Amino acid sequence: GDSVTQMEGPVTLSEEAFLTINCTYTATGYPSLFWYVQYPGEGLQLLLKATKADDKGSNKGFEATYRKETTSFHLEKGSVQVSDSAVYFCALISGYSTLTFGKGTMLLVSP
Amino acid sequence: NAGVTQTPKFQVLKTGQSMTLQCAQDMNHEYMSWYRQDPGMGLRLIHYSVGAGITDQGEVPNGYNVSRSTTEDFPLRLLSAAPSQTSVYFCASRPTASNQPQHFGDGTRLSIL
Repeated sequence: GDSVTQMEGPVTLSEEAFLTINCTYTATGYPSLFWYVQYPGEGLQLLLKATKADDKGSNKGFEATYRKETTSFHLEKGSVQVSDSAVYFCALISGYSTLTFGKGTMLLVSP
Repeated sequence: NAGVTQTPKFQVLKTGQSMTLQCAQDMNHEYMSWYRQDPGMGLRLIHYSVGAGITDQGEVPNGYNVSRSTTEDFPLRLLSAAPSQTSVYFCASRPTASNQPQHFGDGTRLSIL
């Protein structure tokens, strides 16, 4: 079945540091890939998505590239802010199946 | 633009009680689903529906019932609450096309004593 593996957290960074959160997947067919973000006490919000190989999703300074050859969709940001502190979830969907999530990675950014 | 609305936001139950978590969406989405979120477990799918009158089980369906009588509403019923069902519950919806993102409600925090 489909699965998503994310690096375990928490990831602790200082403001303006570079962020990478690794995400790899296994799936049948050609999945669409997503990053969701969950701020404290809130639901999940879509951060970015990519629907085919070599697509780059981007939003709010975050980027992720769909790498079919390495089955990866790593999340990056060049300069994090305190307001980026949240839990980040990598997810995929293939065909008409349900969305499969990774376990989430907590990011803590200090001033 | 309400999106996905969940009620209640918080609930405390005693073991053995039953209750219904409500979920409504105003985006005319065919696909709706319920997840539970537990520490270190990510989000796990409980039940989902691909349209009115159609429901199916997800990864962790035991102890929960759903129905989908309208496109807008997708309630989740706990038949006899157990402490293991203490969790945060999220409802989500999306259009049928699988490359479209899901929209999530703000969640219901449920504690079973």
